[in-house]
This record gives sequence, structure tokens and C-alpha cells, in this order.
Amino acid sequence: GAVVSQHPSWVICKSGTSVKIECRSLDFQATTMFWYRQFPKQSLMLMATSNEGSKATYEQGVEKDKFLINHASLTLSTLTVTSAHPEDSSFYICSARDQGRVNINEQFFGPGTRLTVL
Amino acid sequence: QKEVEQNSGPLSVPEGAIASLNCTYSDRGSQSFFWYRQYSGKSPELIMFIYSNGDKEDGRFTAQLNKASQYVSLLIRDSQPSDSATYLCAVNLRYNFNKFYFGSGTKLNVKP
Repeated sequence: GAVVSQHPSWVICKSGTSVKIECRSLDFQATTMFWYRQFPKQSLMLMATSNEGSKATYEQGVEKDKFLINHASLTLSTLTVTSAHPEDSSFYICSARDQGRVNINEQFFGPGTRLTVL
Repeated sequence: QKEVEQNSGPLSVPEGAIASLNCTYSDRGSQSFFWYRQYSGKSPELIMFIYSNGDKEDGRFTAQLNKASQYVSLLIRDSQPSDSATYLCAVNLRYNFNKFYFGSGTKLNVKP
């Protein structure tokens, strides 16, 4: 149980294009999902908290107009990197909390999406 | 000051030995503590979590929490080459349980 998937697993795009990454909780409902970014040899940095049916909460320094988050259902959140630039190249990882579990602070991570912007 | 600090390593131990990984945190309001393992190019996977002072054992893994000294550690007994990975410590605050603060990770090498 508690499986989170991401699609695509990797993507290469040209500078200036937009890229959408999907995060799905496969066997549980997640009213809250999280988007992280990880640069090489660095730790995970929380970008935003995605709330089902409401606006996402962005961390300081993360541009909400550049990183669009939509959490339209209890099992799906999407992150769209708009007008991508080479400095946006990173490993993007989502996680989700299983609202049905007693230890509600556990986060289950998706496999990640490696974005390369040329 | 970083919220969560870990020695980046690498920590090298021979196969079969005990690996000891340490993590310190700055906020005394920290409530929950998690250890994740991350293989290169992969996303983190949860090893175990601990909420209360003391030890918590799960198979070959033991988490130790000392809130007075603000550190949490992970012991891996009978280390295997497959345990070679980066181990991330994450801390969760009582007043903002949504947010995890991650350490930068300790790279562990288990030599056959």
C-alpha cells in the first residue's frame, strides 16, 4: 500500500516551453501532496504544498506563476513548469500523505521526474 | 543555521559492521523524526520514524532519539553492500506538521 506514481519519469525540453508533471496516489486518498526539488548532491527542498480543491501554498522564494500546481482530485496533483529555463533542470519529487493512516505525518514519495531543459 | 544537519560523509564501513548515522536539529518544537534512504537517481524511501525519546528497533535498523540533546541517530546492524546509499534525516515540527525539514544526507558506503 501507499504507492505514489509520477509521470513522466524523465523529460527533456527546449528552453521556453512548459512541462507538466503528474503525481498520483494509487491506493489511497491524499488531500495533501507535496512538491520537492532536488539539485545534484543537495537535499530535498520543499517547493509547495498542494491542497485538494484549494490553492497551493508555496515556500518562500518559489515563483507561483512559474510553477503552477493543480490538485483537482484526491489522487492527482500536477506541477507545470512554465517557460522552463536551463536552471530549472532538476529532479522533481512529489510526496503524499495518506489521510487514512494513524501516523498522519508520514509522507510517501513518488519515484521522481528528472527534468532537463536545453 | 540549518534546521537539520548531517555529516555528508562518505561513511565507509565493512560488510557486517554497524553503521552509525547522526542527525542534529535546531528547533525544540520538532515532533517527528524520519529516516529515509535514497539511492542515486531515485526518490527517498522511508526506513523508519520515531516520535519518543529512546530507541526504536525495526529489523537491522535502530533509531535513537534524544530530544534534550536534539539529535537523532540511525544504527544499521550487519551492514550489507545493498545498504550503500544516502541517508536523509527529516524533521517535522509540532506547529506545522505539513512541512518536513530535510538534512543534506549522509552517504554510506558498505564495502564487501
